[in-house]
Amino acid sequence: GNSVTQMEGPVTLSEEAFLTINCTYTATGYPSLFWYVQYPGEGLQLLLKATKADDKGSNKGFEATYRKETTSFHLEKGSVQVSDSAVYFCALGYNTDKLIFGTGTRLQVFP
Amino acid sequence: DTGVSQDPRHKITKRGQNVTFRCDPISEHNRLYWYRQTLGQGPEFLTYFQNEAQLEKSRLLSDRFSAERPKGSFSTLEIQRTEQGDSAMYLCASSLRLGEDAEAFFGQGTRLTVV
Repeated sequence: GNSVTQMEGPVTLSEEAFLTINCTYTATGYPSLFWYVQYPGEGLQLLLKATKADDKGSNKGFEATYRKETTSFHLEKGSVQVSDSAVYFCALGYNTDKLIFGTGTRLQVFP
Repeated sequence: DTGVSQDPRHKITKRGQNVTFRCDPISEHNRLYWYRQTLGQGPEFLTYFQNEAQLEKSRLLSDRFSAERPKGSFSTLEIQRTEQGDSAMYLCASSLRLGEDAEAFFGQGTRLTVV
């Protein structure tokens, strides 16, 4: 069946460090891929998405490229800030039918 | 637009009691989803509605769980005879069915603790 696997956290970085959070998926057909972010005390928010192979989603300095050949959608940011500290979820879905989420990766950024 | 709202935000109940949660989606959204999130896990799909029709239910949704969306607006999720294993965050999301351009917006969730 369809599934998402993402790296375990927490990921601990100093401010301005480079961030990579790995995400791989197993799916039939051509799902859309998403990164959601959950800040402390808040609901899930869509960070970025990509709907087809080789698409790059980007938002707030974060990027992820839909790689069908490696079934991956790794999240990257060139320079993290303390305010990026949150839990990040990779997910897949088909035309906004149910989303299938990974287990989440907690990012902690220290000044 | 105030986004997706859920009520209550927190609920503590004794084992065996019934609980009901409410979700108010973004007003023009015709799809509404319920998810459950336990500590250290990602959200897991429970069920979804298109307008008032419940189109899919997960096997996670035992017969103690029932969801409704009368008139295609707000939705309720009821858990009967709660068990400690039901303790989780219950998330509601809504979207407008526009194919690839649609986005699911999540509420802040209802945290259920069964004691």
